[in-house]
Amino acid sequence: EPEVTQTPSHQVTQMGQEVILRCVPISNHLYFYWYRQILGQKVEFLVSFYNNEISEKSEIFDDQFSVERPDGSNFTLKIRSTKLEDSAMYFCASREGDRGYGYTFGSGTRLTVV
Amino acid sequence: KQEVTQIPAALSVPEGENLVLNCSFTDSAIYNLQWFRQDPGKGLTSLLLIQSSQREQTSGRLNASLDKSSGRSTLYIAASQPGDSATYLCAVPRSGGSNYKLTFGKGTLLTVNP
Repeated sequence: EPEVTQTPSHQVTQMGQEVILRCVPISNHLYFYWYRQILGQKVEFLVSFYNNEISEKSEIFDDQFSVERPDGSNFTLKIRSTKLEDSAMYFCASREGDRGYGYTFGSGTRLTVV
Repeated sequence: KQEVTQIPAALSVPEGENLVLNCSFTDSAIYNLQWFRQDPGKGLTSLLLIQSSQREQTSGRLNASLDKSSGRSTLYIAASQPGDSATYLCAVPRSGGSNYKLTFGKGTLLTVNP
């Protein structure tokens, strides 16, 4: 069964450093997402991406965050200057199409900011 | 704003027992509802996707029901096994718009004791 692949599985970074989280969505999917889960809390939406542009972003997704789909396969989330509160599990997800299609999530990247 | 609540927060049962996990949502204008499984520190595995026009969806020992008008879904697990131990999350996408971002519940932590 097709998978969403995320790398790395775990990243430790110093506060203020830039990190890039990488994802390879399922190849024929059209909608791409990033979600995050702070330890012990709900999974929460960060950003959606369709047709090579951001279609919606949450309040969390401020100027420190950006997403790219540089080559038609990879989908990246960049955090420019990490804060302690960015420590979380970050999930990439994709959907094949509109409305009735469900989500496929990746296995996540655990980001630890020290 | 969509709110998703899952009851109970935690459940411990002996192996072989049948069990029901509950999910309620405040905005019944949804296209579908998706149940996920999350193992500790891991990603989200889709279990069942139930469309708003459906009442039930089954996969193996799992059965999900949806009562859209009352804002409720249940996940029934038959003949539970220790390998079923995990957190079970339900999530609904917002109806309308084109982004279908998911709102998650906090999950039910299931422990099946041998």
